[in-house]
Amino acid sequence: AQSVTQPDIHITVSEGASLELRCNYSYGATPYLFWYVQSPGQGLQLLLKYFSGDTLVQGIKGFEAEFKRSQSSFNLRKPSVHWSDAAEYFCAVGDLRTNAGKSTFGDGTTLTVKP
Amino acid sequence: DVKVTQSSRYLVKRTGEKVFLECVQDMDHENMFWYRQDPGLGLRLIYFSYDVKMKEKGDIPEGYSVSREKKERFSLILESASTNQTSMYLCASSRLGQGVGYTFGSGTRLTVV
Repeated sequence: AQSVTQPDIHITVSEGASLELRCNYSYGATPYLFWYVQSPGQGLQLLLKYFSGDTLVQGIKGFEAEFKRSQSSFNLRKPSVHWSDAAEYFCAVGDLRTNAGKSTFGDGTTLTVKP
Repeated sequence: DVKVTQSSRYLVKRTGEKVFLECVQDMDHENMFWYRQDPGLGLRLIYFSYDVKMKEKGDIPEGYSVSREKKERFSLILESASTNQTSMYLCASSRLGQGVGYTFGSGTRLTVV
């Protein structure tokens, strides 16, 4: 079965610093991969997605992610964090076995931004 | 703006009550999903539907049922609410196919007392 691991439960960075959130997946083939962001008290919003092509994908809000097959990773990055980026971030892997587009989510990483 | 709307942001129900959580999307999406979110456990799939009147169990269907009589509406039913069903419930929808990503509602925080 597919699975997603986000090794960091909580990360704190200073405003203006760079950010990298880690995501490792387990899947038998090249998966669909997603990053979502959840602001407090809200639902999740899709930041970016990857299936094939260029391994560096650009998303909304200045985020990017890099797919590394050899490491089974899909890490999320941002060069300069803003206070409004404080939120919870979820990595997800899509199930290719059906057309239902079902996704499995990681447990999330909470980002705190220091002034 | 395209939307997934969950009828209630907060609900408080008593143990043993039958509870209905409603979700409506206006994007003509084929797929709809119900997840629950608990601290430290991430999002866990309860049920999903890829067509009207079609449903499939997710990872934690016990104690829940669903109904999809119209394409835009997907209801989650707690047949007899229990305290361990206190959680945040998230509805999502997506187009048919793989790799399209979800659009989420804002969630319903359910407390069972």
